[in-house]
Amino acid sequence: EAQVTQNPRYLITVTGKKLTVTCSQNMNHEYMSWYRQDPGLGLRQIYYSMNVEVTDKGDVPEGYKVSRKEKRNFPLILESPSPNQTSLYFCASIGLPSTDTQYFGPGTRLTVL
Amino acid sequence: TQLLEQSPQFLSIQEGENLTVYCNSSSVFSSLQWYRQEPGEGPVLLVTVVTGGEVKKLKRLTFQFGDARKDSSLHITAAQPGDTGLYLCAGGSGNQFYFGTGTSLTVIP
Repeated sequence: EAQVTQNPRYLITVTGKKLTVTCSQNMNHEYMSWYRQDPGLGLRQIYYSMNVEVTDKGDVPEGYKVSRKEKRNFPLILESPSPNQTSLYFCASIGLPSTDTQYFGPGTRLTVL
Repeated sequence: TQLLEQSPQFLSIQEGENLTVYCNSSSVFSSLQWYRQEPGEGPVLLVTVVTGGEVKKLKRLTFQFGDARKDSSLHITAAQPGDTGLYLCAGGSGNQFYFGTGTSLTVIP
């Protein structure tokens, strides 16, 4: 089954404790992206990657890091989480060159205390 | 940041009624997508429109892309309880995507 998986689905942590949210897709997609969703603000793009070893900042990259060492994986790293990073996070992928369909993961709800 | 504004933000209607959701921006997009999101899940793509003036129909849903490629609308005919959810529009520009704030639709049986 074609899918994007994220882990963990729920995470409660404390300020300053480094964490990684994993994202994996099994569709051999080139493009992968991370979004955060906040009430009243919609989804905002954090980082995206056009292919292996190619990453670019989205609209809200501050406080986040990503890496793309393999085509299928695109982890999101919070080196020193802060309460304003409490949010619902989604990973997504697209099979280029067509950008018609963006597949989303199930989401990771992060709470930073 | 390229802003996409959706209206209305909330909509509660009776089963069988028609409705229209709007997505407006001051920016031009190369494509515009509509998604539906249910609680606890990621957004699911409904349609992509790429040509100014384009109209696409998906059963009871009709999507239109504005001539200037800055705005779009989603019209649902004879809404059903299964249409309940959060509707999101998203504009593609370069390699990035910009999402609207969403319209939360509730269809009451």
